[in-house]
Amino acid sequence: KQEVTQIPAALSVPEGENLVLNCSFTDSAIYNLQWFRQDPGKGLTSLLLIQSSQREQTSGRLNASLDKSSGRSTLYIAASQPGDSATYLCAVIKGTGRRALTFGSGTRLQVQP
Amino acid sequence: DARVTQTPRHKVTEMGQEVTMRCQPILGHNTVFWYRQTMMQGLELLAYFRNRAPLDDSGMPKDRFSAEMPDATLATLKIQPSEPRDSAVYFCASGLVLGPETRNEQFFGPGTRLTVL
Repeated sequence: KQEVTQIPAALSVPEGENLVLNCSFTDSAIYNLQWFRQDPGKGLTSLLLIQSSQREQTSGRLNASLDKSSGRSTLYIAASQPGDSATYLCAVIKGTGRRALTFGSGTRLQVQP
Repeated sequence: DARVTQTPRHKVTEMGQEVTMRCQPILGHNTVFWYRQTMMQGLELLAYFRNRAPLDDSGMPKDRFSAEMPDATLATLKIQPSEPRDSAVYFCASGLVLGPETRNEQFFGPGTRLTVL
């Protein structure tokens, strides 16, 4: 059974810092990996999707990398801002079979002004 | 502005009552997912449809939960009878699957926050 782990569970940084969020998964046979952002009391916003054949994806100040063989992904946030404060979730889809997401428990990020 | 919509956004009910949650997927999407989010368990899959056919509902308590897609623009999740342990946020997501090389990106609705007293 696929398990997804995110470290750290919570992170507090001063504004302007660059930071890295980590995600690991136990079964490397994935189809893709998706990073989401969730604000308190809100739904999930898709940030980046990396397909299994890709190594990284970039969107603005966000960069996500994927190392399938070691079962790891990182989300890099450059020049963090208070508006980046949210919970960041990593999720994977299995390589075969159903196309549902298996989620990690998230990293709660607080960026201090 | 294509987005997944869900109704109601909030629902408070008493134990034993029937609860129906509705989801309108993004027009043109052919996959629909129901997920449940709780503090203890995080986000878990309840049911998954492709082209309106149920492909996986193994995450759903069969005795009280049912999920259907009456048409391509509406998905429903019903709980009967509801119990306090069903209190959670229920998310619907949709996506487009065309073949083995499809991105399979999923887009989430705002969720229905259910409280069963």
